[in-house]
Amino acid sequence: EVQLVESGGGLVQPGRSLRLSCAASGFTFDDYAMHWVRQAPGKGLEWVSGISWNSGSIGYADSVKGRFTISRDNAKNSLYLQMNSLRAEDTALYYCAKVGSSWSNWFDPWGQGTLVTVSS
Amino acid sequence: DIQMTQSPSSLSASVGDRVTITCRASQGISNSLAWYQQKPGKAPKLLLYAASRLESGVPSRFSGSGSGTDYTLTISSLQPEDFATYYCQQYYSTPPLTFGGGTKVEIK
Repeated sequence: EVQLVESGGGLVQPGRSLRLSCAASGFTFDDYAMHWVRQAPGKGLEWVSGISWNSGSIGYADSVKGRFTISRDNAKNSLYLQMNSLRAEDTALYYCAKVGSSWSNWFDPWGQGTLVTVSS
Repeated sequence: DIQMTQSPSSLSASVGDRVTITCRASQGISNSLAWYQQKPGKAPKLLLYAASRLESGVPSRFSGSGSGTDYTLTISSLQPEDFATYYCQQYYSTPPLTFGGGTKVEIK
């Protein structure tokens, strides 16, 4: 069974940093691109960042570009999101998601999410 | 960036009703569209990809259609467990990958 378990969320002051992790199991991690998607409280889904299987291709939403860095460690079956210069508008539930196919970018499955709250 | 406009934003329906949700892309996306279902407090779940391909394990009352810029999710006979919020997502062009605003299906 494919499992994605996020961790690292919490309450952080504006301007500070946080690093999210996603532990993957049940599939060959280095065969698939991975993504982070967030959902602000009571709002819709927003794609944040994605990384190819070998880290050779990386993309970011404009809202986080220059502040967030995605990375992966295939030896540890883990995905990361380093979030710097956090803002109140970054408050959200952050999901990691595996692509459904090695050749396309729909998401299946998703983790349960880790909550990031940016507040003083 | 490709904008995804989903409608309606909410609807009320009864068990057994046929429900249709639409998603319009700001440019053609060549059937590169997925649909997700999200229940309160849960992660989104993939229903369909490539506009009309049903994910394994998803009931056949869910179907998808469309082409070009306009796509539709249909629930042929709404069941109690289908009350949820539904999102479309284009994966034709990245970055960014983009979602529709969501459609909340509520009990009438």
